[in-house]
Amino acid sequence: RKEVEQDPGPFNVPEGATVAFNCTYSNSASQSFFWYRQDCRKEPKLLMSVYSSGNEDGRFTAQLNRASQYISLLIRDSKLSDSATYLCVVSRTDKLIFGTGTRLQVFP
Amino acid sequence: DTAVSQTPKYLVTQMGNDKSIKCEQNLGHDTMYWYKQDSKKFLKIMFSYNNKELIINETVPNRFSPKSPDKAHLNLHINSLELGDSAVYFCASRSGQGAFNEQFFGPGTRLTVL
Repeated sequence: RKEVEQDPGPFNVPEGATVAFNCTYSNSASQSFFWYRQDCRKEPKLLMSVYSSGNEDGRFTAQLNRASQYISLLIRDSKLSDSATYLCVVSRTDKLIFGTGTRLQVFP
Repeated sequence: DTAVSQTPKYLVTQMGNDKSIKCEQNLGHDTMYWYKQDSKKFLKIMFSYNNKELIINETVPNRFSPKSPDKAHLNLHINSLELGDSAVYFCASRSGQGAFNEQFFGPGTRLTVL
């Protein structure tokens, strides 16, 4: 079992839809949490950090539940340009531990 | 201005050869990493260096040897390449140490071993 688990998808949604991704992690010593975005054949880039209080950045909302060891990402009003793989990432000491990613495809 | 750069971008080579991948960052970061992304797209840390000192070695075969001549560079040398080494290798850097700061990734080196 992987330390960070995600549904690989793909999630195929129309433009304007709201889509939610979930992620669970198994190591309670994990210290910080992120969502990274990876476009096809490109490097991962930080989308947003995730805090227990929940945080929002435009159309993106991230939530962390430490008790359940669960992280979520909500994308509202999906755009074609949101098509990518979304990587759930936890950090412990100096290491980033990646989930396998959830693929999102937004269609017109 | 590329923050984290890697060369080469593509590398095709025969089994048994020795090859190197170079990484440079101009962000002034103290910590650099190598990650491997396999054919199933799973991204896994291999090594971490802080100020030229090895911090993390994630049970990588000793055919892989990272070298950090200074804190802006972390090169990866691979001996006796095997088919299973085919992957995309990403270099990354981060300011300071610890769990909280963002890591910045290079564009990746796609290694194909024939």
